[in-house]
Amino acid sequence: EAGVVQSPRYKIIEKKQPVAFWCNPISGHNTLYWYLQNLGQGPELLIRYENEEAVDDSQLPKDRFSAERLKGVDSTLKIQPAELGDSAVYLCASSYGGGVRETQYFGPGTRLLVL
Amino acid sequence: SQQGEEDPQALSIQEGENATMNCSYKTSINNLQWYRQNSGRGLVHLILIRSNEREKHSGRLRVTLDTSKKSSSLLITASRAADTASYFCATASNAGGTSYGKLTFGQGTILTVHP
Repeated sequence: EAGVVQSPRYKIIEKKQPVAFWCNPISGHNTLYWYLQNLGQGPELLIRYENEEAVDDSQLPKDRFSAERLKGVDSTLKIQPAELGDSAVYLCASSYGGGVRETQYFGPGTRLLVL
Repeated sequence: SQQGEEDPQALSIQEGENATMNCSYKTSINNLQWYRQNSGRGLVHLILIRSNEREKHSGRLRVTLDTSKKSSSLLITASRAADTASYFCATASNAGGTSYGKLTFGQGTILTVHP
């Protein structure tokens, strides 16, 4: 079974440029998550989708971040414009359901460096 | 925001020794999960312990949970060089009174196992 796929794996951009990350969850997983992981820290939830509906985006900085999950499968996370402080690893995860005991499966992440 | 604090922040041991990592948290939980993250890779789910359980085993892993002290420990017995990774505890609770689960990660413990 294929795992969660993310691309690109690495991205270097100049500040104020836009950037987008793509995630393909495990087939059949209805719930998709985007996390932000700063160096030396644990992941922090940015947004969570149940199918195509964003059910928790309270931690997403909406002035510059946006996300979409068309057709309830793949998802894209965008930052526009990027700031120096956005340098981090962006992790995508998926789970079969959204219940509290569901196991989340993580992708390898996209490491972003903003110069 | 980070829910838990992990102790120690870094642990260095020899192959064959046991490794113990601790996690403390602040709010009530449904369950607590442990994840491993190797350098450059995503997080991998290791084990889940429910709030009404006190101890759980999986292979060389032993997890304990003390809800009265709001703390958990992860013991890895007979460690191997391949166990070198960052280990994160994550508390799971229902998000905002909904049926959805929300994971909140600690800051992690960096484990180095020397051959």
